[in-house]
Amino acid sequence: DIVMTQTPLSLSVTPGQPASISCKSSQSLLHSDGKTYLYWYLQKPGQPPQLLIYEVSNRFSGVPDRFSGSGSGTDFTLKLSRVEADDVGLYSCMQSLQLPYTFGQGTKLEIK
Amino acid sequence: QVQLVQSGAEVKKPGASVKVSCKASGYKFTGYFIHWVRQAPGHGLEWMGRINPKSGGATYAQKFQGRVIMTTDTSSNTIYMEVSRLRFDDTAIYYCARENWFDPWGQGTLVTVSS
Repeated sequence: DIVMTQTPLSLSVTPGQPASISCKSSQSLLHSDGKTYLYWYLQKPGQPPQLLIYEVSNRFSGVPDRFSGSGSGTDFTLKLSRVEADDVGLYSCMQSLQLPYTFGQGTKLEIK
Repeated sequence: QVQLVQSGAEVKKPGASVKVSCKASGYKFTGYFIHWVRQAPGHGLEWMGRINPKSGGATYAQKFQGRVIMTTDTSSNTIYMEVSRLRFDDTAIYYCARENWFDPWGQGTLVTVSS
């Protein structure tokens, strides 16, 4: 199974400041079709997860441009350019290159 | 709009079974796999398996093989997941989600295993 490792596991950020979350996979997520199957989700308190970023760097419909994804191979990063109060929750990366799909442990973001 | 609506919360005793439903609407039901993911209290997301609504074929995470069965009812656009021989550590919120990209997700179903 592909192991997904996120750091940090928790993050406390002042509104307006940037934040960054790292996700590393135990093997490359690059498929032979040229796509890299790495996704980012945010689970706000009391809600199901919601898709933020697909295939490393593509913002999903309606996701503010404060969110950006980058990386390649085994190293990926989610960046928030300016954290807002509404951004609190659990951020998780996921790989869908191969079954079983696997998630990172999650990063809990809170506001200072 | 594309929507997945799950059945309500359940309380079960250890050793019992639970069956959770996920009703799809707003898209071609047989066109997308449905995945099940669970989240135990204070823990991250855990992939359980997926089912092809068209064929009924399912693939399970090794951890759940033999204890989880996913089925489909194309007449009602509903996916079911049954977990048998429940243990205390099966207490979790269970979500269904549509492939591709895992969007949308169902609202979640809390399953509590308690004696």
